[in-house]
Formats: sequence, structure tokens, C-alpha cells
Amino acid sequence: KQEVTQIPAALSVPEGENLVLNCSFTDSAIYNLQWFRQDPGKGLTSLLLIQSSQREQTSGRLNASLDKSSGRSTLYIAASQPGDSATYLCAVNGYALNFGKGTSLLVTP
Amino acid sequence: GAVVSQHPSRVICKSGTSVKIECRSLDFQATTMFWYRQFPKQSLMLMATSNEGSKATYEQGVEKDKFLINHASLTLSTLTVTSAHPEDSSFYICSAIEGARGDEQFFGPGTRLTVL
Repeated sequence: KQEVTQIPAALSVPEGENLVLNCSFTDSAIYNLQWFRQDPGKGLTSLLLIQSSQREQTSGRLNASLDKSSGRSTLYIAASQPGDSATYLCAVNGYALNFGKGTSLLVTP
Repeated sequence: GAVVSQHPSRVICKSGTSVKIECRSLDFQATTMFWYRQFPKQSLMLMATSNEGSKATYEQGVEKDKFLINHASLTLSTLTVTSAHPEDSSFYICSAIEGARGDEQFFGPGTRLTVL
């Protein structure tokens, strides 16, 4: 069974810092990996999708990498802003969608 | 605890037929349920938010008359794809929130729909 782990569980940083969120998974037989953002009481917002054949995707200040052989992905957020405060979820798509528990990010002004 | 099931896990149907997908919270009462879909090689996209006893709120671009959502009880939401066409073939996943636990979403395993 696919196990997805996200580290750290929570993170608090001052505005402007660059930060890295980590995701690891146990079964490398995946179709793709996605990073989501979750705001309280809302559905998920998809941030980046990396296909299993890709190593990296970028969108604005976000960059996600994928190392399928080692079962790892990172989400890099540059120049963090208070509006980035949310929970960030990593999800691995094999037969079904498996999510990590998320990293709760707080960016303070 | 906090298990969400979906049925069926896979379905293949002919074009023009309607397909119903069920989403159940097995051990909690779901005040809110979300329906997502994921087309091949694309991101998972939110379709609609469903609150028990009220009409679903659909995301922009999602046809409410084509994707009928019913959230008649605190443990069951259904998504009916009416007059399905091949372009509706997708991976549909639901999630549920138990109000007492805050905003954490619990996800079902998804349903793969293939329309021939």
C-alpha cells in the first residue's frame, strides 16, 4: 500500500523567506504526483502536477521536483508571502489518489 | 476512523447513458462533501461543493444539469453523470468534511469512469 509522508507537519516563517516542503512515498509505481493547497473550509487548489516521466515543474514562485526512484518530491516556495499561509498537500496518483497529511504553513508579516 | 468510500471503483458505460457514483462517509457525519475529477495527465480539479440538505455549489465551467449532485443525508452524496459522452471519461474523487473535526478533508479512493 502506498504511504505518503510530508515533513514538516507545520512550519512558521517570516515573510520573504524561501522554504522547502518535503514529500516522500513508498511505491514508485505512480502515474503522477501533485501538490495542492488547502485553505480552511475550501476544496483543494491544485498547484503543480508532475508526471512520472518528469523531474520538475514550475509555476510562478513555486517549483516542485520529483525523484521517483528515491520516492521523494519537494515543493520550493520562493519569497514567501502571508497569502501563502495554508496547508500544502502532496498526493501520489497510482491506482487511487494517496495524500500525505499535509504541511501547515504560516507566513508572518 | 474517518473513512470515505466510493462506489463503484470502476465503471464502463455506453455513450448516452447515465452513471451514478456514490460517496459515503462510513464512520462520521459529513457536513460538506467535495467532488473532483481528474482527466488523464491533468491536475485534479474541484467540480462542486455539496452541503447536506442544500443545493451544490458548482465551480465555473461545470454544468450542473449534466453533473447532478445530491447530498440527501449526512453520510451519502451522489454524483450522476447524465447522458455521458466519451469526453466525460475521467477519474472522479470525492472528499468529506466532518464539521466536528474542523476542515480536514477525508478522501474516497476514486472512481474511474470510461465512456465508450
